Amino acid sequence: DAGITQSPRHKVTETGTPVTLRCHQTENHRYMYWYRQDPGHGLRLIHYSYGVKDTDKGEVSDGYSVSRSKTEDFLLTLESATSSQTSVYFCAISDRQGGQPQHFGDGTRLSIL
Amino acid sequence: ILNVEQSPQSLHVQEGDSTNFTCSFPSSNFYALHWYRWETAKSPEALFVMTLNGDEKKKGRISATLNTKEGYSYLYIKGSQPEDSATYLCALAQGGKLIFGQGTELSVKP
Repeated sequence: DAGITQSPRHKVTETGTPVTLRCHQTENHRYMYWYRQDPGHGLRLIHYSYGVKDTDKGEVSDGYSVSRSKTEDFLLTLESATSSQTSVYFCAISDRQGGQPQHFGDGTRLSIL
Repeated sequence: ILNVEQSPQSLHVQEGDSTNFTCSFPSSNFYALHWYRWETAKSPEALFVMTLNGDEKKKGRISATLNTKEGYSYLYIKGSQPEDSATYLCALAQGGKLIFGQGTELSVKP
């Protein structure tokens, strides 16, 4: 497996609380992505990064922010969690955009009550 | 927003059957088409990245073809086995991102 670690793996929290998910890679890949997986929607891109401090929005970015202060870490923050953000979140990495496969972490299951 | 469509949504076959699924995508400004295999409770695993019209790739019993002019790709599994049971995702590369289809869920019964 590619060196990708997501933390935490599981989290239960309450509506209105801030939540930060971490993706850590040891592959020195330039591109990092955050997706959410929901029934009937497959994988949807939240935000992605194409370098340190360079990020852009995906198709479902509302309510989420990201930061990438160093190559190996990509943080996803829910500023004020809502029940609609209950989902499984996957991080992925790639060393080239588009033309190389993405490698996925094991996912974080987030439940917001 | 680009639309990547996969069909069928689900497929149930017997062990030994050969099967195929379709991924349809907008043909303009094509860059690359990805296929992933996603087993339940695991993370997606890359199968193929296809870039050239007419390309055909193979990995064991699984192969894929690409038609960029008409905007489709086929994934074939020859002699399906129970361990092939998974969701198969295709994704279109666009501007540094991947746009995923909703997947085809394959169930292979022994």
